[in-house]
Amino acid sequence: GNSVTQMQGQVTLSEEEFLFINCTYSTTGYPTLFWYVQYPGEGPQLLLKVTTANNKGSSRGFEATYDKGTTSFHLQKASVQESDSAVYYCVLGSYQGGRALIFGTGTTVSVSP
Amino acid sequence: GGIITQTPKFLIGQEGQKLTLKCQQNFNHDTMYWYRQDSGKGLRLIYYSITENDLQKGDLSEGYDASREKKSSFSLTVTSAQKNEMAVFLCASRGSNTEVFFGKGTRLTVV
Repeated sequence: GNSVTQMQGQVTLSEEEFLFINCTYSTTGYPTLFWYVQYPGEGPQLLLKVTTANNKGSSRGFEATYDKGTTSFHLQKASVQESDSAVYYCVLGSYQGGRALIFGTGTTVSVSP
Repeated sequence: GGIITQTPKFLIGQEGQKLTLKCQQNFNHDTMYWYRQDSGKGLRLIYYSITENDLQKGDLSEGYDASREKKSSFSLTVTSAQKNEMAVFLCASRGSNTEVFFGKGTRLTVV
C-alpha cells in the first residue's frame, strides 16, 4: 500500500546550520510528493511539491529532490533560522480515496539562536 | 483567498459522551477531509467527502460519524469519547486542481 516513513522524530540545530530530513515512501506508479510545515497553533501548510516531471522542488530556501531509484524524498536547507522551528511532514499524494494526503509521522525541528 | 474555520478550538468532554466538531470553508472546494493528529503518529484520515451529502471512511473511521449537509461545511462526531483521549482534529479541503488547505484544529481532551 501507500506509506511514508520519517525516521527522525526530532532535530535540534543552531542558526545557520544545515538541515537535512530523511524521508522514504512506498507506492505504485508515479507519485506526487509534498513537504508540509506546521507551526505551533496552526494547521499544516504546503511548503513545496515535487512531481515525477520535475524531480526537484524549492521554496523559501528549502529544497527537496525525489529519487525514484531509492524511493527517497529528502528535505534540506543550507542555513536555518530560528523562525524555521516547526514540525515538517513528508507527504505522499494519492490518486485514490478522494485524493487524500498520506502523512509521515513528522520531524520536529528546533533551531536555537 | 479563503479560510477554513474549525469550532470549537478546545473541547473537553467526559467519558462516553457524544461530541461534535464543526468545520466551515469558504474556498468553494468540493472535497473535504477530517484528520486526527496524535503526537508522534502524524495525521491519519478519519473521513472524507467529495461533494455535498457524500461520505467516505478513511483508515481511522471506527468510533466516528461525519456529516456533509452543505458544500461549505463538514462535521465530525465522536460517538463515545474514550477516557484520557487527547488529540487534535484537523479539517481540510481541496479544490479540483489546488493544494490541500487545513484549518487550525480542534484540541480534544477527555476526562
